[in-house]
Formats: sequence, structure tokens, C-alpha cells
Amino acid sequence: DQQVKQNSPSLSVQEGRISILNCDYTNSMFDYFLWYKKYPAEGPTFLISISSIKDKNEDGRFTVFLNKSAKHLSLHIVPSQPGDSAVYFCAASAMIYNQGGKLIFGQGTELSVKP
Amino acid sequence: EPEVTQTPSHQVTQMGQEVILRCVPISNHLYFYWYRQILGQKVEFLVSFYNNEISEKSEIFDDQFSVERPDGSNFTLKIRSTKLEDSAMYFCASSDRGGSGKRTDTQYFGPGTRLTVL
Repeated sequence: DQQVKQNSPSLSVQEGRISILNCDYTNSMFDYFLWYKKYPAEGPTFLISISSIKDKNEDGRFTVFLNKSAKHLSLHIVPSQPGDSAVYFCAASAMIYNQGGKLIFGQGTELSVKP
Repeated sequence: EPEVTQTPSHQVTQMGQEVILRCVPISNHLYFYWYRQILGQKVEFLVSFYNNEISEKSEIFDDQFSVERPDGSNFTLKIRSTKLEDSAMYFCASSDRGGSGKRTDTQYFGPGTRLTVL
């Protein structure tokens, strides 16, 4: 089941530069997308989300872009900081009325920000 | 800031034994979830729970698994007879639909319980 894919297992970026993490999905019923950050031996920490009615959502250094026609979303981190080094997961859900939408996760991309 | 808590942080058990993993979701949340992550693999959905009943479960969530909300704060996952392949990190999550009917789908995760089955 590869409904959500993150094709880059790792990404290395210099401090101060932009980090771009990508995510593709196949299920056109997905209508809510989230990015989580995860450190080893910890739970996923929510970063930012976007509804399918939007194409961009911004929160401080983090911006998520959604291209519905391409079934693609990306997370931009500007400027990148060493503390951003972690595994980033893309997740998607399809909300059914009166049911909690399960999240389908990608495989994750390990971001390393070098000083 | 409210957070999801889970206990224990690490549980070691013998194959065939029963384990109960505990979670305290964020207090005003209405939807509760269990996910797991086997080492090196994706985070996988197990079950969602709303209004005191299971709303959806995955094929992983077979008869060996059960969930319960025994009181107003705890949410538990029980594995009746553990297998070696149940070894994983188990994450509890909760979300809030919003009192005004606004749909808020963000799920907040606990720190996880590492289950090791020997």
C-alpha cells in the first residue's frame, strides 16, 4: 500500500538555506495533509497542515504547498536550522462524516541541516 | 500546552503474554487512535475510536487486539497473546472535531511505548 510516498529517504542542507521535502499521493479522496517531525524514540510532532481547498499554508519558517492536479505536496523550511534535523513524515487523511480520519503516512525523509 | 501521554515507555514481554498499553489523550479531544511503527518501517494505522466504539480498524487489528476507554481519561490497547512480530513502537493519538462543528483533523501523538516481545 503506497498511497503516500516520500521518495527521498534523506536530505542534507546547509544551515540558512532552504529545505524542500516532497511527498506524492495517489488517493484522490485525501482532503487533508499534514507534516510531522520525529526524533528517534519520540512520537511524531505536528508541524503544519493543509486542507485540499487551499494550495498554500504558511507558519513561520514552514510553508506547505499542495498541487492537487499533480497529487503532490512539499514542505519548505526557510531558513533551515541545525535543530530542524529530524525525520519528516508526510501524512494524509480522507475525512468521512462522523468518523475520525485515519492518517496514511509516507516513509519519511531524514533531514540533516549542517552548520 | 496539553499533550498526549503514554505508559509505559518500554514494555518487555514473553511471546504469548498479554500486554496493555495505556494512553491519556488530550482532555477535550473526541477521537482516539493507535498506530504502530515497526523498526525501519512506516507508521501504520491500527484503529480509531469515537463515541465509545471502534470507528475504523486496519487489517493488522485482528482478534488479538482490543481497545477500551475504561474511564473519562484513559484509552488502552490490549494485545491478548503477543507474537514476536508485535514488537514495535506503539503510538496513541487524539484529535478534536471542534465544538462549533469546525473540522479539525490534526492528530496529536504521544511519545510512544516501545514493545519488545521475546
